[in-house]
Amino acid sequence: QSVLTQPPSASGTPGQRVTISCSGSSSNIGSNYVYWYQQLPGTAPKLLIYRNNQRPSGVPDRFSGSKSGTSASLAISGLRSEDEADYYCAAWDDSLSGPLYVFGTGTKVTVL
Amino acid sequence: QITLKESGPTLVKPTQTLTLTCTFSGFSLSTSGVGVGWIRQPPGKALEWLALIYWDDDKRYSPSLKSRLTITKDTSKNQVVLTMTNMDPVDTATYYCAHNFLYVFDYWGQGTLVTVSS
Repeated sequence: QSVLTQPPSASGTPGQRVTISCSGSSSNIGSNYVYWYQQLPGTAPKLLIYRNNQRPSGVPDRFSGSKSGTSASLAISGLRSEDEADYYCAAWDDSLSGPLYVFGTGTKVTVL
Repeated sequence: QITLKESGPTLVKPTQTLTLTCTFSGFSLSTSGVGVGWIRQPPGKALEWLALIYWDDDKRYSPSLKSRLTITKDTSKNQVVLTMTNMDPVDTATYYCAHNFLYVFDYWGQGTLVTVSS
């Protein structure tokens, strides 16, 4: 029951720039911060971007986030083989039932 | 260093109640702004947020699952417990607990796979 929509897949060759979109609504992305998570195969998700465009310590600056209106994007520049993973966007949603945390549908990034 | 680890049964029968425990270290759940949440992921599917408990015992639940979920904390034991009633095969998933600070889920446990089957 993902509320945020992402493309199912994205790909690129090493060194290329890949962009992943995340589409939401006024109650989530439109009025709250966006977060991005990277999930390597068989592992737990890892926080990649918080508050739209902030990187936690240790995350390479090849990863960048942006937000505009009710959509957000994650860009990976200088694509590397170790970037092959699933990527999820997320945001708090100001629903009538109270705030809830919603995730995107997920995007699998393949390095060709 | 913040770490979290989930524990509980790997197999439950339909209609049973699931009880999962998140044991953490490196932070206190009595510190202002801190919370611990639960997120699950069915095999091959997307992440789904379930519940969150804050340092002041404020609790938040996914509206679609609220009637089945209860989240509690034991600050002295550094544990958070999630119970989910009336389990169904569609609840088969890897369940993660995660540290939350100022609304950011920044540290996650390794997850525990729970299978619902008779």
